[in-house]
Amino acid sequence: GENVEQHPSTLSVQEGDSAVIKCTYSDSASNYFPWYKQELGKGPQLIIDIRSNVGEKKDQRIAVTLNKTAKHFSLHITETQPEDSAVYFCAARNRDDKIIFGKGTRLHILP
Amino acid sequence: NAGVTQTPKFQVLKTGQSMTLQCAQDMNHNSMYWYRQDPGMGLRLIYYSASEGTTDKGEVPNGYNVSRLNKREFSLRLESAAPSQTSVYFCASSLAGSYNEQFFGPGTRLTVL
Repeated sequence: GENVEQHPSTLSVQEGDSAVIKCTYSDSASNYFPWYKQELGKGPQLIIDIRSNVGEKKDQRIAVTLNKTAKHFSLHITETQPEDSAVYFCAARNRDDKIIFGKGTRLHILP
Repeated sequence: NAGVTQTPKFQVLKTGQSMTLQCAQDMNHNSMYWYRQDPGMGLRLIYYSASEGTTDKGEVPNGYNVSRLNKREFSLRLESAAPSQTSVYFCASSLAGSYNEQFFGPGTRLTVL
């Protein structure tokens, strides 16, 4: 079945710098890749997603890139702010129409 | 709109006890899901319901049962709780199909002693 690997598990960046979280997937039929953000004590919330017919998608300070050949995709956050501190999950839709989540990255924004 | 609501927020059980986690959504979504979240393990799907009247197993269904009571409500039951079921449980809902955003509830923190 689909396996989604996410790295790093923890990431600390200075406020104002950029953060990059990387994921790989195993099912070549995967065609939809959402990213969720989970703030402390809350449920995850969708922040951006990308389908396999595009290589990049951007929404203000957040962007996602997809390399289908290499089967990896990444989340880029620019000009990080304190409110970006959270746990981020990548995910992939597999051939069985299921969403499989990565194990998460805890992002710390340092003042 | 309240979105997705879950009760209770916290629960402590003894091994062997049973309980039901309740979930309701007011967004008229067809699909509903139950996940568990453990440290370092991410979100793992326990059961899901693609539409009212249907339920299917996810990645980690053992020890759990579900009921899709109506379109709004999807409950998760632990018949005989075990310490390995200590976790945070999230309910989610979405429009039909896996391309749609899942909306998550605030979670239930369950401890089994």
